[in-house]
Amino acid sequence: SQKIEQNSEALNIQEGKTATLTCNYTNYSPAYLQWYRQDPGRGPVFLLLIRENEKEKRKERLKVTFDTTLKQSLFHITASQPADSATYLCALENQAGTALIFGKGTTLSVSS
Amino acid sequence: SQTIHQWPATLVQPVGSPLSLECTVEGTSNPNLYWYRQAAGRGLQLLFYSVGIGQISSEVPQNLSASRPQDRQFILSSKKLLLSDSGFYLCAWSVPSSGSYNEQFFGPGTRLTVL
Repeated sequence: SQKIEQNSEALNIQEGKTATLTCNYTNYSPAYLQWYRQDPGRGPVFLLLIRENEKEKRKERLKVTFDTTLKQSLFHITASQPADSATYLCALENQAGTALIFGKGTTLSVSS
Repeated sequence: SQTIHQWPATLVQPVGSPLSLECTVEGTSNPNLYWYRQAAGRGLQLLFYSVGIGQISSEVPQNLSASRPQDRQFILSSKKLLLSDSGFYLCAWSVPSSGSYNEQFFGPGTRLTVL
């Protein structure tokens, strides 16, 4: 069955540094991958989608890469700020193509 | 613009009691609708999804059920709650397409505690 792993439950960095979060998947070749941000007690908010034929995608201080050979996506936040502190989730479509499967998330804490 | 509503925001229920959580979407037609549960220390678990009125697909067998009586209304129910039903319940919608290609928009969630 499909498996998604975000291998760090928590990541602590200093303000101004680049945060790098990892999402690995197995037993599947998704056509795309999505990243969401979730603040405590709230629903996730969509950030970026990257397709299998795209190596990299950027949005302001965010950058996502997608390596279908390694079955891995990296999510980068450059010049991180305390306001970036949140849980970040990666998501893939299920094999039936009918819904998303989410990783458990990585909680990022940016200290000033 | 589109908005998604969930209620109640928080709920405390005794074991064995019934449950009804409601989700409504405004500003779009024929959305795909989803129910997720997020338990402490666990990821988002897809419970049900619906591509149209009366069309419900279940992802995980359990004592919960879902219904879609109207195009933009999605209801999560249980006849008898278990302790393990505690969690953060999230409703989401997406623009219908050939798959779940599009981003999902989540509601504010319902925090359910079963005692």
